[in-house]
Amino acid sequence: DQQVKQNSPSLSVQEGRISILNCDYTNSMFDYFLWYKKYPAEGPTFLISISSIKDKNEDGRFTVFLNKSAKHLSLHIVPSQPGDSAVYFCAARGGYSGTYKYIFGTGTRLKVLA
Amino acid sequence: NAGVMQNPRHLVRRRGQEARLRCSPMKGHSHVYWYRQLPEEGLKFMVYLQKENIIDESGMPKERFSAEFPKEGPSILRIQQVVRGDSAAYFCASSEGYEQYFGPGTRLTVT
Repeated sequence: DQQVKQNSPSLSVQEGRISILNCDYTNSMFDYFLWYKKYPAEGPTFLISISSIKDKNEDGRFTVFLNKSAKHLSLHIVPSQPGDSAVYFCAARGGYSGTYKYIFGTGTRLKVLA
Repeated sequence: NAGVMQNPRHLVRRRGQEARLRCSPMKGHSHVYWYRQLPEEGLKFMVYLQKENIIDESGMPKERFSAEFPKEGPSILRIQQVVRGDSAAYFCASSEGYEQYFGPGTRLTVT
């Protein structure tokens, strides 16, 4: 039962263009969503987050959009840079039943072409 | 402010041995999470702990795996009688709010 899904295992984008990474979830009780970037042999690095009561959060080149009715969130990276090449994970926090467990998607490998 | 520390970074064990993975959370963080990542897969939740308490262990295998977060010292993930299928990267994360911050991981190889 995959509650958080990243349906695109990989994505290639030209340097300078926009990268859009997508994430779908099934549980309407999730209260917080996060995006992480991961390089090989390193731990995930926190990028940006959004509360379930918001629909957009922006931080520099990174913007996260949340569509609660569609149970969908996306990460936009503009402009994309070669250093952005990594695996990106979305995560959702279960703010119910008193347990703040985080469920991760399977990741999308982004390749930014110079 | 030091980040989340994990040690060892690499651990090799023979089948049947015990593996102990340690995690020191960020200063001021009292919530610790353990995740496992198998090759070419995502991060799988294992267990969520606060000081001296296991809050949610729904992702932990029922046998051979245990975790603790004592009042003093690091959190420990313990795997007894390791098997080849336990080979994976194990990540620890800590939080004191909405965001989790991850350590560099321990790569366990069972030979």
